[in-house]
Amino acid sequence: DLVMTQTPLSLSVTPGQPASISCKSSQSLRHSGGRTFLYWYLQKPGQSPQLLIYEVSNRFSGVPDRFSGSGSGTDFTLKISRVEAEDVGTYYCMQSLHLPLFGGGTKVEIK
Amino acid sequence: EVQLVESGGVVVHPGGSLRLSCAASGFTFYHYAMHWVRQAPGKGLEWISLITWNGNDAYYADSVMGRFSISRDNSKDSLYLQMDSLRTDDTALYYCAKGTNGVSWSFDYWGQGTLVTVSS
Repeated sequence: DLVMTQTPLSLSVTPGQPASISCKSSQSLRHSGGRTFLYWYLQKPGQSPQLLIYEVSNRFSGVPDRFSGSGSGTDFTLKISRVEAEDVGTYYCMQSLHLPLFGGGTKVEIK
Repeated sequence: EVQLVESGGVVVHPGGSLRLSCAASGFTFYHYAMHWVRQAPGKGLEWISLITWNGNDAYYADSVMGRFSISRDNSKDSLYLQMDSLRTDDTALYYCAKGTNGVSWSFDYWGQGTLVTVSS
């Protein structure tokens, strides 16, 4: 069975400093047509999730450019270049090459 | 502006049934696949079902297969989730989410959720 593994489980970041979250899948997420179906969502406290990044590295509408996604195959990374207070929450990666499956989440807090 | 408003969440006994609804606006509903995703209290996100734009194809997570049924009414811009044989581990906040295209297995916009509590 496909497994999505996120690390770390939690992250405490000083405002203005960078942050990085890893997501690893147990199978390649690259479709035979060339696209890779890996997404990143942020769930802020008390809110519903919001899409940040689609297909590995594409920022969704309105997402600040301090968020970036990278990776290929089975290894992916979400980076925040300079963390702001509004970035707190839980980040989830998700694959949709197969039926959608989320990683376990990474909770980001501000120091 | 895309809006998704879920309703129908209540407290129900184990073995009971419930129907959730999601009213969509701000986009051409019948162009897009739609999904249900749930979140148990204090836990992560679990995708549970999707339906394609025309309702011809539906998919389910193993955890709800045979107990839940997804449907849509494109004339009413509405999505539904019929939940039968409910168990205590179905207790969760249920979100509807808009697919990124008509057959998409990914989603972009989410509603605010409706809470289902299964308890005796």
